Amino acid sequence: DSGVTQTPKHLITATGQRVTLRCSPRSGDLSVYWYQQSLDQGLQFLIQYYNGEERAKGNILERFSAQQFPDLHSELNLSSLELGDSALYFCASSLGGRQETQYFGPGTRLLVL
Amino acid sequence: AQSVTQPDIHITVSEGASLELRCNYSYGATPYLFWYVQSPGQGLQLLLKYFSGDTLVQGIKGFEAEFKRSQSSFNLRKPSVHWSDAAEYFCAVGGTNAGKSTFGDGTTLTVKP
Repeated sequence: DSGVTQTPKHLITATGQRVTLRCSPRSGDLSVYWYQQSLDQGLQFLIQYYNGEERAKGNILERFSAQQFPDLHSELNLSSLELGDSALYFCASSLGGRQETQYFGPGTRLLVL
Repeated sequence: AQSVTQPDIHITVSEGASLELRCNYSYGATPYLFWYVQSPGQGLQLLLKYFSGDTLVQGIKGFEAEFKRSQSSFNLRKPSVHWSDAAEYFCAVGGTNAGKSTFGDGTTLTVKP
């Protein structure tokens, strides 16, 4: 158990809908990272927050957004969902923001029908 | 642009045999290199990382990796594989910010009894 929790574990929804994925980092970690893992794209970094502020951005679509709250939990919002958004979404956390070990959560599996 | 190539999609070894998983990277400066393991239904777990210094890095679970700048490689090794090592292994390269790491497509390891 990495100490990172993600909810829900599974999510099934329809095209055009909007969903919110939630992540609670390990106690004491200030950074949260979001990744998308799919069969055709592999594992891709989406976005990082550090202590409530956006720190780095990767291949995140404009339909996707994230935020980190004062209690350091984070939410990833996916809107106008398409079939291709079906994937495993991971959250990871680390103590700071620069090259510390990242601890990954178990992921949320999203299926868009 | 940074990239990672894991040439072997799938490797099968017998329990007790030695293991080497290949990783080649492309990065414009001194890279930060990582190996992660992902068991079915689980998030990624960091096995080891290289930032600088000794080019032979020891990790958890008896794994080690060697950084070879001249070959742009960071191969993962284990002298004697256990059945519990069956999983998917990801190599990643990044810069100062760990979140912007680029992951390879992964190598699936099967361990024969």
